Amino acid sequence: DAGVIQSPRHEVTEMGQEVTLRCKPISGHDYLFWYRQTMMRGLELLIYFNNNVPIDDSGMPEDRFSAKMPNASFSTLKIQPSEPRDSAVYFCASSPASTTNEQFFGPGTRLTVL
Amino acid sequence: RKEVEQDPGPFNVPEGATVAFNCTYSNSASQSFFWYRQDCRKEPKLLMSVYSSGNEDGRFTAQLNRASQYISLLIRDSKLSDSATYLCVVARGYALNFGKGTSLLVTP
Repeated sequence: DAGVIQSPRHEVTEMGQEVTLRCKPISGHDYLFWYRQTMMRGLELLIYFNNNVPIDDSGMPEDRFSAKMPNASFSTLKIQPSEPRDSAVYFCASSPASTTNEQFFGPGTRLTVL
Repeated sequence: RKEVEQDPGPFNVPEGATVAFNCTYSNSASQSFFWYRQDCRKEPKLLMSVYSSGNEDGRFTAQLNRASQYISLLIRDSKLSDSATYLCVVARGYALNFGKGTSLLVTP
């Protein structure tokens, strides 16, 4: 079975540009999570969805960040405008409702904002 | 102060050694506890859940002390393939809170 799929795997952009990260969760998983990982702050939860509905977005750093989940098989995380401090690895993870919190992570998108 | 604190290491140990990692958490309302493993430039993967009674999975033993808000992971008979970063994870509901990780390097 395919795991969580993320695209692109690497993104290099210039400050001020819009960045869109994409995620396809594992089929049948009800929960989808977006995380950001940096050396300084470690792995931080940004937002998560249950059945396509945002449940907790308290980790979203500021209004420049937005996330959507238009259907059960697709989610996007958008940064507009991007800043150099947004450089990080962004992970998407999914989880079935029936398990006790095991989350399956995608390979991540390594974002560099110049 | 981060909610989950770990010694970043690195821990450098020879093959066959026993090594222990510790973690503390600050929110007493935390409900579930885990250790995840992350290889260099890869995604985190669940290693094991942690239960109050302590639990073992092969060479790995995890312990939880709710009163002290302390979690531990013991690895016996270390293998080269155990080299990775070990992330302590505390959960309330479905929201996971990760420590910054402890780096382990097992050498021949």
